[in-house]
Amino acid sequence: GAVVSQHPSRVICKSGTSVKIECRSLDFQATTMFWYRQFPKKSLMLMATSNEGSKATYEQGVEKDKFLINHASLTLSTLTVTSAHPEDSSFYICSASRGGGYIQYFGAGTRLSVL
Amino acid sequence: KQEVTQIPAALSVPEGENLVLNCSFTDSAIYNLQWFRQDPGKGLTSLLLIQSSQREQTSGRLNASLDKSSGRSTLYIAASQPGDSATYLCAVVDAGQNFVFGPGTRLSVLP
Repeated sequence: GAVVSQHPSRVICKSGTSVKIECRSLDFQATTMFWYRQFPKKSLMLMATSNEGSKATYEQGVEKDKFLINHASLTLSTLTVTSAHPEDSSFYICSASRGGGYIQYFGAGTRLSVL
Repeated sequence: KQEVTQIPAALSVPEGENLVLNCSFTDSAIYNLQWFRQDPGKGLTSLLLIQSSQREQTSGRLNASLDKSSGRSTLYIAASQPGDSATYLCAVVDAGQNFVFGPGTRLSVLP
């Protein structure tokens, strides 16, 4: 149990376009979902935390207007990278928690390449 | 602010060797510590979770220890195999339920 599906696994887009990444908890209700960003050979950096039905909490330095997060249901959160630029190219990973954040279940990640 | 470091950054060993990966953290007020495996371009696979009250956890050839007072954890891999090649990340969950990840150790097990 506790499977988290992330889609797409890879996306290539032109500069200026917006990209949506979906994160779904397949067999449990995720009260909290997390979005991380990982640069090459670096560790994961938390971008934002979202609770179902409320606004996401962004970490310092993360532009909320650039990275739109929606957690519309207990099984789905989306991250939209708006007006993507090459510097947004990265590996994005979501995770989900049944309650609080002491145990998180991670998705397989999305490789975003902005040309 | 919690900081997590991992040593070594990279490790290459011949198949069959036992090895130890190290993780250190600066704030001992943790809720739990987790070890993950990450294959290139992939997400995270949870390996072991140690609650703050525990000293170690074992799963197959893997054994993780935790010394909260000194801010250290080790991941011991016995009889390493080429399939163990991956990046190993440790993460501490602090009092605010935040995951703080270390930079990882890139392990290569040579056949």
